[in-house]
Amino acid sequence: AQKITQTQPGMFVQEKEAVTLDCTYDTSDQSYGLFWYKQPSSGEMIFLIYQGSYDEQNATEGRYSLNFQKARKSANLVISASQLGDSAMYFCAMDTGGYNKLIFGAGTRLAVHP
Amino acid sequence: GAVVSQHPSWVICKSGTSVKIECRSLDFQATTMFWYRQFPKQSLMLMATSNEGSKATYEQGVEKDKFLINHASLTLSTLTVTSAHPEDSSFYICSASKASGLQEGYEQYFGPGTRLTVT
Repeated sequence: AQKITQTQPGMFVQEKEAVTLDCTYDTSDQSYGLFWYKQPSSGEMIFLIYQGSYDEQNATEGRYSLNFQKARKSANLVISASQLGDSAMYFCAMDTGGYNKLIFGAGTRLAVHP
Repeated sequence: GAVVSQHPSWVICKSGTSVKIECRSLDFQATTMFWYRQFPKQSLMLMATSNEGSKATYEQGVEKDKFLINHASLTLSTLTVTSAHPEDSSFYICSASKASGLQEGYEQYFGPGTRLTVT
């Protein structure tokens, strides 16, 4: 069965520092996608970054990069130069390789301190 | 582009009544829409997948007679919580995708969510 695991319920980081949010996954599919979403207190889900299982290079989107280690089944999110506005819940998700259904991890609450 | 709206953004209803939540794709046609439920401080749980013109596919443990989903057009899906009870109080989020089928690299566009409180 597909599963996403985020083992960090909460993380703190100093403003302008980098932070890594962990995500491991389990799937028997050969083709799958991994996503990271940000959910601020307003509740909206904001798409951050995507990594396909066949992508050889790690995905990057501005200050966000995804450290994809396929053999270890991990897809950690790295946020560089943290900003106060980065404080939010962060969810790792995986599509189940069929009809774009997403399963989500439990989430990590990130707090950026000035 | 790719904006999804939900209405209402919050609703309070009395136990035993039904409430309808709308999910609209504003600037694209959504062949597939998804409904999620999120309890406080928890993750999103997929409730059902809705394809335009066909019956919704519900996830295991989701009562299809309680959570009625209709996807009558390529831009609108509705979730009706029938005979709502306090335990149905939750944050309901929809998402929409532009295509269906096996694809990699596909993004879902999320609505802003609807907070339902049943008293």
